[in-house]
Amino acid sequence: DGGITQSPKYLFRKEGQNVTLSCEQNLNHDAMYWYRQDPGQGLRLIYYSQIVNDFQKGDIAEGYSVSREKKESFPLTVTSAQKNPTAFYLCASSLLPPDTQYFGPGTRLTVL
Amino acid sequence: GQSLEQPSEVTAVEGAIVQINCTYQTSGFYGLSWYQQHDGGAPTFLSYNALDGLEETGRFSSFLSRSDSYGYLLLQELQMKDSASYFCAVSLPTEGGKLIFGQGTELSVKP
Repeated sequence: DGGITQSPKYLFRKEGQNVTLSCEQNLNHDAMYWYRQDPGQGLRLIYYSQIVNDFQKGDIAEGYSVSREKKESFPLTVTSAQKNPTAFYLCASSLLPPDTQYFGPGTRLTVL
Repeated sequence: GQSLEQPSEVTAVEGAIVQINCTYQTSGFYGLSWYQQHDGGAPTFLSYNALDGLEETGRFSSFLSRSDSYGYLLLQELQMKDSASYFCAVSLPTEGGKLIFGQGTELSVKP
């Protein structure tokens, strides 16, 4: 089955720790995206990548980092510099030129 | 800047038809998408309009009018399982085709 997987589903972190969220897709999509969703809100773009070894900042990139070493994988690191990291993180992918984006199941991060 | 506006809440009864509107202020975009999100879940793609007009997918239809900066999602024969949040989003030609989302409309379907 083709799709996007994210792990873990739930993640708890202590303040001051970095954590990495996994995102893998086997849809052969060139573009991948990371979004953040806060309760009762829409999604906001953190980072995106259209090609391996290249990525761009989105609207709220501060305190986050990404890598794109393989087409299938786009991990997101939430660093200790992110002031309010507790949120629902969603990874998406699309063909290029982009139209429809397909989302993974999400990772819910809670900072204790 | 770019923004999309949707009603925050809509309530309807089972079997009815409901229309969720989306007005936007953006200078150019690839198309208008609609996503459904149940509590605690990820958005799932419902419909996409690249061109003006109506797109029909089963019980769901979506409409776009670029000249009016307006679109809507039409849900027919409502079922209890349709209770969810519905987001409209535009994909931009800049910034990798990122999606700009509305704040979402929470649909409650009553028996």
